Parts: sequence; C-alpha cells; structure tokens
Amino acid sequence: DAGVIQSPRHEVTEMGQEVTLRCKPISGHNSLFWYRQTMMRGLELLIYFNNNVPIDDSGMPEDRFSAKMPNASFSTLKIQPSEPRDSAVYFCASSRQVGQPQHFGDGTRLSIL
Amino acid sequence: SQQGEEDPQALSIQEGENATMNCSYKTSINNLQWYRQNSGRGLVHLILIRSNEREKHSGRLRVTLDTSKKSSSLLITASRAADTASYFCATVLDSNYQLIWGAGTKLIIKP
Repeated sequence: DAGVIQSPRHEVTEMGQEVTLRCKPISGHNSLFWYRQTMMRGLELLIYFNNNVPIDDSGMPEDRFSAKMPNASFSTLKIQPSEPRDSAVYFCASSRQVGQPQHFGDGTRLSIL
Repeated sequence: SQQGEEDPQALSIQEGENATMNCSYKTSINNLQWYRQNSGRGLVHLILIRSNEREKHSGRLRVTLDTSKKSSSLLITASRAADTASYFCATVLDSNYQLIWGAGTKLIIKP
C-alpha cells in the first residue's frame, strides 16, 4: 500500500507568491491532517478534515492560509501571499478515523525568500 | 499549554544502553500514542496504549501508562544507532478524539 504522498518535496519561492502544497492520503482513511513543523514552534496542527469536511481550522495562522479537500483522495494547502515567516516543513497525515494512529507523508520543505 | 510534554528534551546514550522517555499530560484521554521522527522524514507511529491499559510491548519498545499520574513512559531496550531520532507522544482527548502533540525528545545513540 502506498503511504501518504505529498508534493512537492521542496519549494523555494519569493515572498508574495502563491504556494500550493498537495497531499494524497492513504486510500480508505477518513481523516486528513495538515501540520507545520519549525524548530521554534514544534509540530502545529493547522487543520483537519473528516470525510472531506473541515472540522477544526483553528490552527490556521491567518487568512492567507486556506485548505481544501475536494474528494477523499486529494487535499491542498494554499498560502497566498506567502511571507518569509511561513518557511517551515509542512506535513500531511491521514488516519482511518480521528483518534487512531496517523500516517505521515515525508513533508514539503518550504522556503520563502 | 501543551497537553503532552516530553521529558527529557534531549537524551544521549551509548549503543546498547536502554533509553527512557516520559510524557505527561493534563486532561482525560482515550489513548496515548508514541511516534518516531527520523531527520528529514515524517513521523512514524510506534505504539498506541489505551486508557484502560497499563503496559504494552512491541519488539524492543515498552510503553507504560499511569492515568492516576497522567503520565506515560517509552522504554527502548538495547538501543542501536538506528534508534537516533526524535520521539513524540500524542494524547487523544476523550472529549473529541483530537490528537495533542508534545514537543518531543531528541534521542542520540552514540556508537
């Protein structure tokens, strides 16, 4: 079984540009999570979906961040406009149900110059 | 504040020794999970212990849970260089099944 697939693995862009991160969860998993990880703040939950519906987006830093899950096999996290402080590793994870073990992708390392 | 807080923040031991990491939490939980993160990779689930369980084993891993003290420990026996990683605990709240993450313990195994 393929794991959680994220793309791109690395993204370097200039501030002000739009950034789109992509995630394909494991087939059959009903819950999908977006995280951000930095040295300073550790692992932060940004948003999670259950059955494609956003349940908790209280971790989304501000209106520049948005996430969608148009179907069970795909989700995007968009930052527009991007700022240098958005530089981090962004992880997508999925689980069969909320509260069950999560499977993580290898992350997108984002650098905003 | 963090629901799960790991202790110590960093641990450096010789290969072959045992490594113990602790996790404390504040509110009622459904289960507690331990994860490992190798450098540059995503987190990998290691073991889940339910609130009605006290101890669980998986290979060289032993997890204990003390709900009266709201704490858990992860023991890695006979450590290997490949165990070098960061280890995170995550508590699953009884109220809404949300995972709350600790800050992690960085474990270094010296050959």
